[in-house]
Amino acid sequence: DQQVKQNSPSLSVQEGRISILNCDYTNSMFDYFLWYKKYPAEGPTFLISISSIKDKNEDGRFTVFLNKSAKHLSLHIVPSQPGDSAVYFCAASDIQAGTALIFGKGTTLSVSS
Amino acid sequence: EADIYQTPRYLVIGTGKKITLECSQTMGHDKMYWYQQDPGMELHLIHYSYGVNSTEKGDLSSESTVSRIRTEHFPLTLESARPSHTSQYLCASSEFGGGAAYTEAFFGQGTRLTVV
Repeated sequence: DQQVKQNSPSLSVQEGRISILNCDYTNSMFDYFLWYKKYPAEGPTFLISISSIKDKNEDGRFTVFLNKSAKHLSLHIVPSQPGDSAVYFCAASDIQAGTALIFGKGTTLSVSS
Repeated sequence: EADIYQTPRYLVIGTGKKITLECSQTMGHDKMYWYQQDPGMELHLIHYSYGVNSTEKGDLSSESTVSRIRTEHFPLTLESARPSHTSQYLCASSEFGGGAAYTEAFFGQGTRLTVV
């Protein structure tokens, strides 16, 4: 049973518009969430994270929102750029227990110019 | 910039061969992980280690084995490669645990393995 779900396999957005990538989780013990960006044949690179004590974290064009009651988080990219085109993975961990990251299946973002 | 390295980047090998995928990190992290990923799928944890001489199997069953003799080195071995082992293998390290560090896991560039 998947503990981290990214239900949209793909998303297409025009350059300059907002990209919103969604992620749901089922394990209430998760208290740390991360977004990674991945190109084919490369390892994931870290984008942004949020702990369960916050509901928003912002870093430049990237903002992550966490809704604990809904067990839902989202990544907003504003403005979207063609270089943002990649696969985006949501990951979660029980940081207090030091567990390994559990990943979703990823969402492929395509930003057209 | 992450200091974690995987070799080789790409490997094409015949069925039945023994292979070792190398992973090294220079960040002094105690925790290291191996993930397996196929296109369109999540990264599946296949092995992890919380320190020297500590290794555990992950959520996804794997015929591979790992060792952790040195902090910086976490190689993965397949004794007899099969076409079903064709995948991308990703190594990572982190400082997670005990609430001491809210930080990310750093990934290597991955090894794309093809067994023919």
